[in-house]
Amino acid sequence: GQQVMQIPQYQHVQEGEDFTTYCNSSTTLSNIQWYKQRPGGHPVFLIQLVKSGEVKKQKRLTFQFGEAKKNSSLHITATQTTDVGTYFCAGQSGGYQKVTFGTGTKLQVIP
Amino acid sequence: NAGVMQNPRHLVRRRGQEARLRCSPVKGHSHVYWYRQLPEEGLKFMVYLQKENIIDESGMPKERFSAEFPKEGPSILRIQQVVRGDSAAYFCASSPGSPSGAFFGQGTRLTVV
Repeated sequence: GQQVMQIPQYQHVQEGEDFTTYCNSSTTLSNIQWYKQRPGGHPVFLIQLVKSGEVKKQKRLTFQFGEAKKNSSLHITATQTTDVGTYFCAGQSGGYQKVTFGTGTKLQVIP
Repeated sequence: NAGVMQNPRHLVRRRGQEARLRCSPVKGHSHVYWYRQLPEEGLKFMVYLQKENIIDESGMPKERFSAEFPKEGPSILRIQQVVRGDSAAYFCASSPGSPSGAFFGQGTRLTVV
């Protein structure tokens, strides 16, 4: 079945440093979504990318969808302590739109 | 516009009892997903339902687990004869259809004692 892997699994950064997480799917995706889960909380939808090579920005967050629609990245510029949490990518594919979540990257920001 | 509502938020069951987890999707959303999450781990897909239909239950154990999304009322995830290994957070998410992000409920934390 479809697998979605993320690297790294964990990342500790000093506040102000940049952070990037990478997402790779074993199959071609129709779209990719990104979610953030704060400690003890539930996943919150951040954004969706649909087009090959698409790039979207939300303030300090930049999301990219690969040309082959099998990988994606999330880059955070100048991290803040409010960025702490686990970031999941999630891919949709197949005729019935099953959403498969990646393994997640846990970000810790050191003040 | 209320988000996804899950109840109960916390559920304690003794081994062998039944657990019923409820999920009311966002109004107008016809797609519901259930995920299970162990502490410090990712989201494991269990089942994907559309109104009155199970679309994909490949992530759900064939024994003791069942899910439904009736025409009226919430989606129910039912776990019969719970065991300690069923202890986890169970999240429900809904969406209006593809392509669209999913909105998650706050989860039900199930503890089996």
